[in-house]
Amino acid sequence: AQKITQTQPGMFVQEKEAVTLDCTYDTSDQSYGLFWYKQPSSGEMIFLIYQGSYDEQNATEGRYSLNFQKARKSANLVISASQLGDSAMYFCAMREAGLIYNQGGKLIFGQGTELSVKP
Amino acid sequence: NAGVTQTPKFRVLKTGQSMTLLCAQDMNHEYMYWYRQDPGMGLRLIHYSVGEGTTAKGEVPDGYNVSRLKKQNFLLGLESAAPSQTSVYFCASSYERTTGRVTNTGELFFGEGSRLTVL
Repeated sequence: AQKITQTQPGMFVQEKEAVTLDCTYDTSDQSYGLFWYKQPSSGEMIFLIYQGSYDEQNATEGRYSLNFQKARKSANLVISASQLGDSAMYFCAMREAGLIYNQGGKLIFGQGTELSVKP
Repeated sequence: NAGVTQTPKFRVLKTGQSMTLLCAQDMNHEYMYWYRQDPGMGLRLIHYSVGEGTTAKGEVPDGYNVSRLKKQNFLLGLESAAPSQTSVYFCASSYERTTGRVTNTGELFFGEGSRLTVL
């Protein structure tokens, strides 16, 4: 069964420094996708970045990059030049393509990492 | 530009009462989902739908029912609320996207969440 693990319940980072949030996953599928979402204190879920299992390059979106190590089954999120507004809960999630159409696009989420950026 | 809208945003119930959460999306997405979020457990999938008239169980379906009579709406029902159902509920939707190599669904678009308290 697929599983997502985020081992860091909480992290602190100094403003303007880079931070890495860990995510490991377990799946027997060859085709899957990995996502990171941000949830600020206001509660909404904000999509940050996506990495497909067949993508050869690590995904990047502005200050966010995904350090994808397929053999180690890890998909760590790197935030460069942290800002105070980056303080939030971050969730890693995975979707398996599946062989059956009615699998849908459902995501399995990790437990989340709460990031606090210090001024 | 509403996206995914959930009603109500807040609700307090007594044990044994029933209620329905409504989710509406205006993006013509095929797939819709209901998740619950509890501290330290991330988001867990309750039920999902891959199209109008179809529903399927997720990870934690017990105590909930769903219906997808119209493509744009996905209803989550609690027939007899229990304190264990106190949670924040998120509705989400997604679309099918073909990458050229595999068929992937895109990211989930989330509603703002509904906070339910069962006394």
